[in-house]
Amino acid sequence: SQKIEQNSEALNIQEGKTATLTCNYTNYSPAYLQWYRQDPGRGPVFLLLIRENEKEKRKERLKVTFDTTLKQSLFHITASQPADSATYLCALVVTTDSWGKLQFGAGTQVVVTP
Amino acid sequence: NAGVTQTPKFQVLKTGQSMTLQCAQDMNHEYMSWYRQDPGMGLRLIHYSVGAGITDQGEVPNGYNVSRSTTEDFPLRLLSAAPSQTSVYFCASKTGGQGPYNEQFFGPGTRLTVL
Repeated sequence: SQKIEQNSEALNIQEGKTATLTCNYTNYSPAYLQWYRQDPGRGPVFLLLIRENEKEKRKERLKVTFDTTLKQSLFHITASQPADSATYLCALVVTTDSWGKLQFGAGTQVVVTP
Repeated sequence: NAGVTQTPKFQVLKTGQSMTLQCAQDMNHEYMSWYRQDPGMGLRLIHYSVGAGITDQGEVPNGYNVSRSTTEDFPLRLLSAAPSQTSVYFCASKTGGQGPYNEQFFGPGTRLTVL
């Protein structure tokens, strides 16, 4: 069966350190993968997209990798800050039509302490 | 731009009642969708629409109806509420036609409790 797995345990990290989140998937062949941030009581907000032919993508302090052989994406927050505390969702684009339906993981909560 | 708006923010229903969750966007997006989010589970697609008059089912459509009479509005109807429909509901929209990778813009959500 198709599955997307993200760490269900919260990641507690000290300010200034790098937070690394994993997104593993099985029985999908996504061409694209997206990462979203969700704060409590709010809707997800898009952060980054990475294509299958891109090994790495960066945006400010965020870095995403996409390994289609391992069926895994890693999401890094460098020099983390308390404001980075949120839940981070990975989403696979599971259709190749122009509308690109998404399949979401359950998310990993990140808590950055001063 | 207001982006994607949803009403109400909170709703409590009794089993068997019906109601409509409202969603509107002012970005002229073709694609709109409804998700539900339950603890420990990812967002699950209920229904989606690729334009006015065009809707289709997602992963968990049972118990829900949608229609799309305008580009801006995409209401979700619960026909006969059940406790299993207790969840947080998110509406989202995005442009299309440029490829499947466009970001989705989400509304603030509606927290629904069915007693």
